[in-house]
Amino acid sequence: KQEVTQIPAALSVPEGENLVLNCSFTDSAIYNLQWFRQDPGKGLTSLLLIQSSQREQTSGRLNASLDKSSGRSTLYIAASQPGDSATYLCAVRNTDKLIFGTGTRLQVFP
Amino acid sequence: ETGVTQSPTHLIKTRGQQVTLRCSSQSGHNTVSWYQQALGQGPQFIFQYYREEENGRGNFPPRFSGLQFPNYSSELNVNALELDDSALYLCASSLRTALTGYTFGSGTRLTVV
Repeated sequence: KQEVTQIPAALSVPEGENLVLNCSFTDSAIYNLQWFRQDPGKGLTSLLLIQSSQREQTSGRLNASLDKSSGRSTLYIAASQPGDSATYLCAVRNTDKLIFGTGTRLQVFP
Repeated sequence: ETGVTQSPTHLIKTRGQQVTLRCSSQSGHNTVSWYQQALGQGPQFIFQYYREEENGRGNFPPRFSGLQFPNYSSELNVNALELDDSALYLCASSLRTALTGYTFGSGTRLTVV
């Protein structure tokens, strides 16, 4: 049974810091991995999608890596800003569904 | 392109009642999935619809049911509501291929009292 874990559960940092959020999964037989952002009480905004054959994807200040064999992904956020404050969720696609971690709650203070 | 839209945004129901939540897929997407997110948890897969048929289901009882329409929009129906059904219900659309990701709506917040 696929299980997804995210560490840390919460993170509070000053503006300008570079951050690394971690995601691990137990079954390497995935189609892809997707990182999402969720603001309080809102839906999910897709940040990056990494196919199982890829090693990383970049979008602006965000970079996500995937090491399928070790069951790990990291989301790197450069030069963090208060507007980055949100919960970040990773999800692996197993056949026709996504399996989510419980998220990392990020607070960036000025 | 239009994104995924869900209605209503908030809903309060009494235990034992029935509820219907609605979702319009992103333009061009042919698959719709529903997820339940309890407070402080990651979303949990309820089921997925493709070509108007359910083709995948998570660990949810039969009182959770759904429909997909020819225009790829969808409904989630929950009968005999229980207090534990209180959650954020998220709809996601995608293409059948695994080469694309999922696009989520803003969710419906259901409170059962």
